Amino acid sequence: DAKTTQPPSMDCAEGRAANLPCNHSTISGNEYVYWYRQIHSQGPQYIIHGLKNNETNEMASLIITEDRKSSTLILPHATLRDTAVYYCIVSHNGGATNKLIFGTGTLLAVQP
Amino acid sequence: EAGVTQSPTHLIKTRGQQATLRCSPISGHTSVYWYQQALGLGLQFLLWYDEGEERNRGNFPPRFSGRQFPNYSSELNVNALELEDSALYLCASSLVENTEAFFGQGTRLTVV
Repeated sequence: DAKTTQPPSMDCAEGRAANLPCNHSTISGNEYVYWYRQIHSQGPQYIIHGLKNNETNEMASLIITEDRKSSTLILPHATLRDTAVYYCIVSHNGGATNKLIFGTGTLLAVQP
Repeated sequence: EAGVTQSPTHLIKTRGQQATLRCSPISGHTSVYWYQQALGLGLQFLLWYDEGEERNRGNFPPRFSGRQFPNYSSELNVNALELEDSALYLCASSLVENTEAFFGQGTRLTVV
C-alpha cells in the first residue's frame, strides 16, 4: 500500500473550518483514500473515503487533487468534540479493513 | 442498534499468563478484525475472521490467536504474555470485506 504523509499536529478555532492535508504521492490508480479519526482512548471512527472525485457526507468533505497525489479533509465547522487524531489511509481492495495501515496521523486540537 | 462491544474494558495480567479478550460485532456483520495499538503508536493489524474462519493475520507471533463463533462473536487469546503486549486491543466488524468497518472501544491490556 502507498504511504501517506500528514502533519503531526494542527490547531483550529472552534466554529471555523478545519483543513487537514495528506500527501500520498505514490498512490496507484486503484487505491482509495480513506479517513478515520480516533478520539482519545476510543476506537477509530470512519469518516469518509474517495477514489477520484470529491466527496461529502454529514461529517466532512474530501477534496482529492486531480493528480491524486494529495487530499484534504475538511470539517466545515469544527467543535471541541472534533479534537482527535485523524488518519489518512490509502488502500487497495476498496479499503478492506485488514489492509488498512494506520500511520501516526494528525492530532487536531480544536481551541475554544 | 448496538455497536461493536468489547470486554473486559481493562485487564491486568502477569507476565507469562494468558489473556482472553472478547468482541461482539454489530448484528449482521460477519467479519471481525483485531488490531493492537501500543502506547503512542499506530494501529497494527492482528487478525481477520469471517464466517468462522481465519482469513488473514498480521505480523504477530503464534501466541496471538483467536477464533470466531457461530454467532460471529470473537475471542482473541494471547499466551505467554510479555510486558510488550501491554496495549489497547481494538476489535472492528463489517458486513463483508471492502465495506465500512466499525470499531469497538477497545480492551486495555496491562502486563505487569
